[in-house]
Amino acid sequence: DTEVTQTPKHLVMGMTNKKSLKCEQHMGHRAMYWYKQKAKKPPELMFVYSYEKLSINESVPSRFSPECPNSSLLNLHLHALQPEDSALYLCASSQNRQGGREKLFFGSGTQLSVL
Amino acid sequence: QKEVEQNSGPLSVPEGAIASLNCTYSDRGSQSFFWYRQYSGKSPELIMFIYSNGDKEDGRFTAQLNKASQYVSLLIRDSQPSDSATYLCAVNEKTNTGFQKLVFGTGTRLLVSP
Repeated sequence: DTEVTQTPKHLVMGMTNKKSLKCEQHMGHRAMYWYKQKAKKPPELMFVYSYEKLSINESVPSRFSPECPNSSLLNLHLHALQPEDSALYLCASSQNRQGGREKLFFGSGTQLSVL
Repeated sequence: QKEVEQNSGPLSVPEGAIASLNCTYSDRGSQSFFWYRQYSGKSPELIMFIYSNGDKEDGRFTAQLNKASQYVSLLIRDSQPSDSATYLCAVNEKTNTGFQKLVFGTGTRLLVSP
């Protein structure tokens, strides 16, 4: 079962709010990812966790704070966002095998609107 | 960051025709190549992957890889209106942490008319 579950599906927040996006997978994958996708653009990598440790941070502003409580869960904490942060936020997971060949499986995404 | 380039389209084909989508990449060290399909408002779905030069077929889909030319393509035979979507080419890139990450092209929008 190649399923990555994201909640919520839609989120509207003000610039002073604090909210969290959640992602869960039960495929035994050991790498989890956050991507951001603006309309008509490709997904852009934000963070990668490998074996529950942050492996990649693509110079993402500190108003985005990732957390990986365990190998199945990934959170993205949001605080003091800007309207330009409105986008589709995608979670993905992969097996994290040595030598690459990582096949990423995406969740359905959270459509975020910042007012 | 290395580049992955695709024609944004739209590529319009009639139902039943072969759709050919192309992708070029700049990193000669890339070893893994993926095609994702993304319907409007939905998340990307992995439909094909290829690691070796040549062709790989899966149902109506054929992925083709030419590492010497740094070129990967996706052929869709007997195109159906339900194939209308944006097709994203993705290529792995090795980072300075040793972790492989995917770099996506901008995608080609495919329109299949009945």
